[in-house]
Amino acid sequence: AQSVAQPEDQVNVAEGNPLTVKCTYSVSGNPYLFWYVQYPNRGLQFLLKYITGDNLVKGSYGFEAEFNKSQTSFHLKKPSALVSDSALYFCAVRDSWNNNDMRFGAGTRLTVKP
Amino acid sequence: DGGITQSPKYLFRKEGQNVTLSCEQNLNHDAMYWYRQDPGQGLRLIYYSQIVNDFQKGDIAEGYSVSREKKESFPLTVTSAQKNPTAFYLCASSIDHLGAGAGELFFGEGSRLTVL
Repeated sequence: AQSVAQPEDQVNVAEGNPLTVKCTYSVSGNPYLFWYVQYPNRGLQFLLKYITGDNLVKGSYGFEAEFNKSQTSFHLKKPSALVSDSALYFCAVRDSWNNNDMRFGAGTRLTVKP
Repeated sequence: DGGITQSPKYLFRKEGQNVTLSCEQNLNHDAMYWYRQDPGQGLRLIYYSQIVNDFQKGDIAEGYSVSREKKESFPLTVTSAQKNPTAFYLCASSIDHLGAGAGELFFGEGSRLTVL
């Protein structure tokens, strides 16, 4: 079965610095990869997804993610962090061979300090 | 505006009581899902429905029940058989079901259930 891991529970960065939130995945077929953001007591909001094509995917609010097949990774990045980016971030994966399932990571809490 | 509406946002239940969480969408999506979120565990799938009058169990369906009588509505009942129901419940929909395509999920704002 497909799975996704977010190795960091917490990421702290200073405002204006670049940020990276890490995600690795495991699938049998081809991966469909997603990033979502969650603010306190709210639902998840879709940020971006990788299905096929260009390995660098651009999404909402200036976020981007790079698909790396050899490292089975899909790290979320932003060149310059904002305090308002502080939230809980989830990586998710669907497997093209077992499409009836979307697996979520445990989440990474991003804190951007002024 | 189109979206997913969950109600109530907060709900308190006594042990032994059944409660029903509402989920309505006006996105014209075929597929709808219920997830449970616990701190540090990500989201776990309870039930999903690909089409009206059809639904499938997810990983943690025990103690829960659903119905899908209308395309727009997918209510979740937390029964007294659910041993640890205190959690944050999220409803979602997608334009395609998880067995076809690669559409993202659209989420409601969640319902927080607390058992007293």
